[in-house]
Parts: sequence; structure tokens; C-alpha cells
Amino acid sequence: GAVVSQHPSRVICKSGTSVKIECRSLDFQATTMFWYRQFPKQSLMLMATSNEGSKATYEQGVEKDKFLINHASLTLSTLTVTSAHPEDSSFYICSARSPGSSYEQYFGPGTRLTVT
Amino acid sequence: GNSVTQMEGPVTLSEEAFLTINCTYTATGYPSLFWYVQYPGEGLQLLLKATKADDKGSNKGFEATYRKETTSFHLEKGSVQVSDSAVYFCALSGNFGNEKLTFGTGTRLTIIP
Repeated sequence: GAVVSQHPSRVICKSGTSVKIECRSLDFQATTMFWYRQFPKQSLMLMATSNEGSKATYEQGVEKDKFLINHASLTLSTLTVTSAHPEDSSFYICSARSPGSSYEQYFGPGTRLTVT
Repeated sequence: GNSVTQMEGPVTLSEEAFLTINCTYTATGYPSLFWYVQYPGEGLQLLLKATKADDKGSNKGFEATYRKETTSFHLEKGSVQVSDSAVYFCALSGNFGNEKLTFGTGTRLTIIP
């Protein structure tokens, strides 16, 4: 149980275009989802926290107009990188927390974004 | 703010060797501490946790003790197996009700037969 999927696993896009990454909780309802970014040989950095049906809360320094997060249902959250640039190339990871879990987050396998 | 400092890798050990991966933290109050493991091609999985000082988390032969006096949460295993090859992340979350996780940089562990 407690499986989180991400789609796509890898994506290459051209500079200036937008790309959407999906995060799904497959066997539980996730009231809260988190989006992280991971640079090579660095730790996961929390970008934003999203609660179903409400606006995401972004961490300091994260551009909310660039990284659009939508948590439209209890099983799906999306991250859209708008007007992507090469510096947005990174590994994006989502996690989800179920209502019954006090603090445990279940992580997706990540999405490798390359902007050319 | 909160921070986690983790032993740099990569770490390569022979099967049945003893493993220690060091983790120290900086936090206000009484954080909860975690070790996550990421196997190739998979998402992070919670390996073990400790929520208060002197607690020992354990799972799959791995152990870590919450040491408040040294602000440490070192991961240990007495005899590693090839299947333990993965990336290990130390993490902490804030006080009760604060669910944000702060991660260390991760340590890649490779076990050779």
C-alpha cells in the first residue's frame, strides 16, 4: 500500500515551453502533497506544500508564477513549470501524506526534467 | 533554521561488513528524526524513525538512536547485504504539527559480494 506515482519519469523540453508533471496517490487519498527539487549531489529541497482544494504554500525563494501547483483532487497534484529555462533542469520529486498518518510522507519515484 | 549534515559518499563495503552512516542535525525544539532509503528507480521509503531523545528506531537490521546531547542520529547495521545498496537520506521534521522535512544530501551505499 501507500504507492505514489509520477508521470512522466523523464521529460525533455525546449526553452520557453511549459511542462506538466503529475503526482498520483494510487491507493490512498492524500490531503497534503509536497513537491521537492533535487540537484545533483544535493539534498531534496521543499518547493511547496499543497492541500486538496486550496492554494499551494510555497517556500521562500520559489517563484509561484513559474512553478504552478494544482491539487484538484485527493489523488492528484500537478506541477507545471512555465516558460522553462535550462536552469530549471532538475529532478522533481513529489510526496503525499494520508489523513491517517501523523507525519509519514510517501514519495514518488521522481521526474527528471531537462530543458534544452 | 533546521539543517541536516550527512556523511558524504559514496560508501563501498563488502558484504557482511559493519555499516555506519553519520548524521548530525541543527534544529530548535524537539524535532523528529528519520532515515529514508531510495533503491534504484524507486521513490524514497521510510526506513526508520525516532520522535524523542534516546529513542531507537530500527527496521530491516538497521538501527539509529536519537542523541540529543550530540545532536546525532547515526545509521548502523551489523552485517550489510548486497540488497542494501541504495541511497540513504537522513531527515528531520519540526515540532509537533510541523510536517516539513529537511533532508541531508544523501549517502550512496554500494555493497560488493
